[in-house]
Amino acid sequence: QQQVKQSPQSLIVQKGGIPIINCAYENTAFDYFPWYQQFPGKGPALLIAIRPDVSEKKEGRFTISFNKSAKQFSLHIMDSQPGDSATYFCAASWEGGGADGLTFGKGTHLIIQP
Amino acid sequence: NAGVTQTPKFQVLKTGQSMTLQCAQDMNHNSMYWYRQDPGMGLRLIYYSASEGTTDKGEVPNGYNVSRLNKREFSLRLESAAPSQTSVYFCASRDWGGAKNIQYFGAGTRLSVL
Repeated sequence: QQQVKQSPQSLIVQKGGIPIINCAYENTAFDYFPWYQQFPGKGPALLIAIRPDVSEKKEGRFTISFNKSAKQFSLHIMDSQPGDSATYFCAASWEGGGADGLTFGKGTHLIIQP
Repeated sequence: NAGVTQTPKFQVLKTGQSMTLQCAQDMNHNSMYWYRQDPGMGLRLIYYSASEGTTDKGEVPNGYNVSRLNKREFSLRLESAAPSQTSVYFCASRDWGGAKNIQYFGAGTRLSVL
């Protein structure tokens, strides 16, 4: 059972465009939704995260939009740059579950063309 | 400050061989995790350790064992490697408390089982 569904699998955007990556979750107990960025040959690194008490969070050029009723959240990258080319993973967890690990989506391979 | 260190970086095994993947963190985190990453599958949790002396199964624990040697170190053992265990393995530790919930990942161990 895949608890976090991520789309698209791959995405190509021109520099300056706004790539959008979408995720949907099934477990209503999830209450923490991070996005991780991974460059080739590296481990994932936290990019931005949101909790369901807000509908949007911005950090620099990265924005998470959250729709609790639809059980969906998305990542928007404003003014995208070639350096943003990476694999992006959405994830979810239940903070009340203690040390339980993250449930990840399958990832989106993003290419920003110059 | 090294963060999360994994050794080895690369390993090739024959079917049936055993090996231990090592992980150490220097951030004084209580919780540590082992994930595997396969193409198109995202990251899946193998085992985790909420604190020194405790371990729990994740989503895909079969064929693996873990040891939380002390607060810093969390090792993953393959007793009898199988080709299905060919993957990239990531160790992570978690900084958790207050508003923080961040998993820090190592650079990964790339394992091939022939």
